[in-house]
Amino acid sequence: AQTVTQSQPEMSVQEAETVTLSCTYDTSESDYYLFWYKQPPSRQMILVIRQEAYKQQNATENRFSVNFQKAAKSFSLKISDSQLGDAAMYFCASTGGSEKLVFGKGTKLTVNP
Amino acid sequence: DAGVTQSPTHLIKTRGQHVTLRCSPISGHKSVSWYQQVLGQGPQFIFQYYEKEERGRGNFPDRFSARQFPNYSSELNVNALLLGDSALYLCASSLIDRLAVNTEAFFGQGTRLTVV
Repeated sequence: AQTVTQSQPEMSVQEAETVTLSCTYDTSESDYYLFWYKQPPSRQMILVIRQEAYKQQNATENRFSVNFQKAAKSFSLKISDSQLGDAAMYFCASTGGSEKLVFGKGTKLTVNP
Repeated sequence: DAGVTQSPTHLIKTRGQHVTLRCSPISGHKSVSWYQQVLGQGPQFIFQYYEKEERGRGNFPDRFSARQFPNYSSELNVNALLLGDSALYLCASSLIDRLAVNTEAFFGQGTRLTVV
């Protein structure tokens, strides 16, 4: 069974600074995908960034980048130049080529002005 | 283009009652998945439907059922409600049945169900 663990229930960062959110996962699948989702108070889950496991190059989307360490089964999210609008719950998720997403428990990110 | 729409947005039910939640996927999307998100937790997979057929089921009791209609909209039904069923129920739609790096699951804003 796939599991996703987020060990930081809460994190805070100063506006314009950089923050890293941690995620580890476990899967028996040989091909799988990893995602970071953002859930603001509006409740809608929004895809932030995604990574295909067989690609060694780390994904980057503007201010968001990941550090994917396949051997360690680690998939951290780095947010650079943090903005007030980045404040939200962040969920790490994985899928093993199946139809479902397996989510971690989430990290609440606070951005201080 | 409209995103994934869910109705109702909020709902209060009594223990033992039945509830039906509805989801309309993005136009052209044939896959609909349902997730339960209990307060303080990440979403848990309940069902996935693709082309009106069940493609996956999570670890939920038989009180939970779903279906998908010819227009690809979907209903989630929960019978004999328990207090523990109180949660945010999220619907997600995608183009195809297998999530991949190039296949994004788009989520609705959810239905907040409270069982009293």
